Amino acid sequence: GENVEQHPSTLSVQEGDSAVIKCTYSDSASNYFPWYKQELGKRPQLIIDIRSNVGEKKDQRIAVTLNKTAKHFSLHITETQPEDSAVYFCAANPRGSTLGRLYFGRGTQLTVWP
Amino acid sequence: DTAVSQTPKYLVTQMGNDKSIKCEQNLGHDTMYWYKQDSKKFLKIMFSYNNKELIINETVPNRFSPKSPDKAHLNLHINSLELGDSAVYFCASSQTTGQLYGYTFGSGTRLTVV
Repeated sequence: GENVEQHPSTLSVQEGDSAVIKCTYSDSASNYFPWYKQELGKRPQLIIDIRSNVGEKKDQRIAVTLNKTAKHFSLHITETQPEDSAVYFCAANPRGSTLGRLYFGRGTQLTVWP
Repeated sequence: DTAVSQTPKYLVTQMGNDKSIKCEQNLGHDTMYWYKQDSKKFLKIMFSYNNKELIINETVPNRFSPKSPDKAHLNLHINSLELGDSAVYFCASSQTTGQLYGYTFGSGTRLTVV
């Protein structure tokens, strides 16, 4: 099945700095790459996603880049704030499946210090 | 007007008992899922139903039996609970017709087996 590797597992940054989380995937047929944010004790929530026909997507302070050749995608958070502190998960769909299956990375605990 | 609702939120039970978790979505999505999140936060797919039909059944012990009475509901019944079943179980839904869209997760059910 799909193998999604996520790094780093923990990330600490000062408020106002940028944070970058990287993921790699193994299945070249994967075509959908969402990112989820999970605050402590809460549900994962979709924050941004990208499809394989696009190289970059931005939404205010959040951006995702995709390199299909290298099979990796990254989440970039600029001007970080303490409320960005959470666990972030990347995911990919195996074999370009539209049946909904997503394989998740193991998560990155982001801590933003004021 | 919660989009994906799960009950109960917490479940504490003894080994060997049988328990059920219920999930309902009012988003009109065609696909629903059960994911298990372990103590290290890893999200692993268990089951997926598309329009009431089982389409994904990962290597889950047959003590776990999902049921989907209609496309808005997906329940999970667990027989003979074991200590290792302790985890947070998330229900999720998405629209998969045409192309895959991101999941909306329920608030989770924290199951503790003692």
